[in-house]
Formats: sequence, structure tokens, C-alpha cells
Amino acid sequence: QVQLVQSGAEVREPGASVKVSCKVSGNTLTKFSMHWVRQAPGKGLEWMGGVDPADGETIYAQKFQGRVTMTEDTSIDTAYMELTSLRSEDTAMYFCSPVDLTTGDTFHIWGQGTMVTVSS
Amino acid sequence: DVVMTQSPLSLPVTLGQPASISCRSSQSLVHSDGSIYLNWIQQRPGQSPRRLIYKVSNRDSGVPDRFSGSGSGTDFTLKISRVEAEDVGVYYCMQGTHWPPLTFGPGTKVEIK
Repeated sequence: QVQLVQSGAEVREPGASVKVSCKVSGNTLTKFSMHWVRQAPGKGLEWMGGVDPADGETIYAQKFQGRVTMTEDTSIDTAYMELTSLRSEDTAMYFCSPVDLTTGDTFHIWGQGTMVTVSS
Repeated sequence: DVVMTQSPLSLPVTLGQPASISCRSSQSLVHSDGSIYLNWIQQRPGQSPRRLIYKVSNRDSGVPDRFSGSGSGTDFTLKISRVEAEDVGVYYCMQGTHWPPLTFGPGTKVEIK
């Protein structure tokens, strides 16, 4: 059974950066195109970006372009999302969720979430 | 961008009674491949999201058959035939037909009366 295990909670000051990891277990990262979704406290789900399964290119939501970088280390089946120039509005739970390259399944599994708190 | 709207945003229901959530998209979700990439996502309090329904009407493994999805074009519905206590949470529709960006509805909060 495939699971996504994310890194632990983070606290950062405004202006800092944070890097969240998402490790695939029960399969290999190469079988997926990983996406990232965030959820501010009490708010809805917001797509941040992810890998386009058609060509492997990473696409970012316009809102985050220039501040977010999504990378992968396939040797350890781990995807990363780095967000820079943090501000208080970035306080949120961050989730990873994939597109299965074999079945085309989208967002059928989710990580447990990583809480990022931005506060001085 | 495709805008997803849901109604109602809050849904108090009596245990054992049916519930229905509507989701509408700002444009048709029929993909060029003929599929409709419309998912329903459940988020119980304090938990990660969980996909319930994919491609409009296909239930995920382990999802009780009291959940059903239907719809076409721009109008979609999630129905719960008999609400149970474990169904409390927020339900989101999500489209993956026209992206970027992938877009979610605002969510419908289901609570027990």
C-alpha cells in the first residue's frame, strides 16, 4: 500500500524559507507526478503546483511563481516543496498528493500534512 | 481558470437522512479525451483530505456505497444516502480537466443536527 510521509512541523520568521519533504513508501516516486496543496487555518484547499505527467515539467500556480520550487530526489523516493520569502499568510498545512503515471489516478492518496507557521 | 462553486456551504443533517451537495464549474469539464476529471474529496476534522469519488461517479476503494456521485458538463452532485456520524466533515469538489491550475470548490461543511 502506497503511503506519503511528510516531514514535521516547522516554525519560521517572516522572510525566511521552508522546505517540506514528502517520502513515497510502498512504491517509487518515479511512478508518480507529485503535486502540492495547502490549507490555511479554517480555509479551503489551494493547489500550489506539481509535475505535469505529460512532459515531466513542473508547473506552479501563478500565485506562487517566483517563491516556490518543487523538486524530487528519486534515489530516496522523496519530493520537496520549498517556499521562500515567507509571510504570515503562508501559515498553513501543506499536503503532497500525486498523479499516478500508470493509472492516471489523481489525488487518490495524500500525505499527513506539514504545518508551517510563520511568526516573528 | 475554472471556478468551482458549491452549494450549500453548510449542511446540517439528521443521522440516517440523505444529504446532497451540488458543485458547478465555470466551464464544461469534459476533457478532449472524453473523460470528466471531477473528484470529490472528504476532509474529516483534523484529518488529511481523502478522495471519495473520481471521474464524477467512481467510488474509491473502501468508500461506503452510501456515497454516490453524478453529473455532466458543468453540474455535479455528491449524495449521501443515509448520513452517519463518521460523515461529518468538509466536502470539496475538485477539477483536473483544465489545468493549470487544478481548482477546488470552497467546500461544504456537513454537520449533524
